[in-house]
Amino acid sequence: GAGVSQSPSNKVTEKGKDVELRCDPISGHTALYWYRQSLGQGLEFLIYFQGNSAPDKSGLPSDRFSAERTGGSVSTLTIQRTQQEDSAVYLCASTDLGGVDNEQFFGPGTRLTVL
Amino acid sequence: GEDVEQSLFLSVREGDSSVINCTYTDSSSTYLYWYKQEPGAGLQLLTYIFSNMDMKQDQRLTVLLNKKDKHLSLRIADTQTGDSAIYFCAERKYGNKLVFGAGTILRVKS
Repeated sequence: GAGVSQSPSNKVTEKGKDVELRCDPISGHTALYWYRQSLGQGLEFLIYFQGNSAPDKSGLPSDRFSAERTGGSVSTLTIQRTQQEDSAVYLCASTDLGGVDNEQFFGPGTRLTVL
Repeated sequence: GEDVEQSLFLSVREGDSSVINCTYTDSSSTYLYWYKQEPGAGLQLLTYIFSNMDMKQDQRLTVLLNKKDKHLSLRIADTQTGDSAIYFCAERKYGNKLVFGAGTILRVKS
């Protein structure tokens, strides 16, 4: 079946502009995560949605970052007034919390470049 | 802190075994994972181990867990050029959040 998809695959923007990154999780997966991978670094947790519960926003680096998940499916990560340090690959993952190992399935990522 | 630590780089010859090491932070973590990331691709789960296990073997992959030292290793037997990638260790924290290491670049020389 279809995996996690993300769009766009690449985004180049100017400093100060707002950007929206989209994630389509695997159908039926109740949990959705956003991570950020900066050059030469590991993955940094940003935000986690589980069902109808309030999201865990503990990883968002500043109030310029926000995310929503509409209808328990598609999620959008919004970065306002982008800065050069926001340049990274943004990865989305989804999981079926009813599974045995709660494997997180990752999308291919969106590479964001802020000029 | 929340640091999961890995060595940054490993180079091996084709056919040799590779061992990638990781230390994690939370002794209460229930699952520990190894993910593989090939150039331009997303992360792929390779294997995982539950915290009450010492070892797990899956074809060419062997995971060893030392809970006392909070040390995890991934052994790849008969390493092939297709194994060249970045390997991430991750521990599952409260709320199903994963904390990743910075990744180990594995280079396989033919």
